[in-house]
Amino acid sequence: EAEVAQSPRYKITEKSQAVAFWCDPISGHATLYWYRQILGQGPELLVQFQDESVVDDSQLPKDRFSAERLKGVDSTLKIQPAELGDSAMYLCASSFGLAGGGDTQYFGPGTRLTVL
Amino acid sequence: ELKVEQNPLFLSMQEGKNYTIYCNYSTTSDRLYWYRQDPGKSLESLFVLLSNGAVKQEGRLMASLDTKARLSTLHITAAVHDLSATYFCAPPMGSNYQLIWGAGTKLIIKP
Repeated sequence: EAEVAQSPRYKITEKSQAVAFWCDPISGHATLYWYRQILGQGPELLVQFQDESVVDDSQLPKDRFSAERLKGVDSTLKIQPAELGDSAMYLCASSFGLAGGGDTQYFGPGTRLTVL
Repeated sequence: ELKVEQNPLFLSMQEGKNYTIYCNYSTTSDRLYWYRQDPGKSLESLFVLLSNGAVKQEGRLMASLDTKARLSTLHITAAVHDLSATYFCAPPMGSNYQLIWGAGTKLIIKP
């Protein structure tokens, strides 16, 4: 069964350091999403890609976060510098990307980030 | 303000009992998604409800959607311990179908 892959699964870093997360969506999925989920809350969308283009990054803290999907397949989310408040689960999801949108999003296992 | 309200936020129940989780939302959306999340794990898609009056069932879970009332329900029949998890509802909004997430309902089913 096809799955969304993410790495690393866990990351511990010190504040002011740089961190990067990688996501490989389900093959053939054009739409890719990065979410942040704080413990006890629902996910918060950070950025949405359609192929290699950013569709929505209105909630991405652009002073420290960046995301790219250069070839329209896998994607990287970077934080530089990391702050204590960035500790959270970072989830990647993908969907087929039907015209008109609204198809089911499938989530990867997530990266648990702890900033010390 | 766009809101998704789930009720209850926490539910502890005995095995074998029935219960319903409610999801009220403020967007004008023609569909809604339900997801399950186990502690420390990612989100698993349960149901996508695509139209007013849609009903989907999988095992002991049944979801329904009333787009006019902006209400979805997730009904649990004869609960078993394996259904213990946090359940999220999420209607999409806007041209990008961005999901708006509720806070989740944490369900604990005791043997």
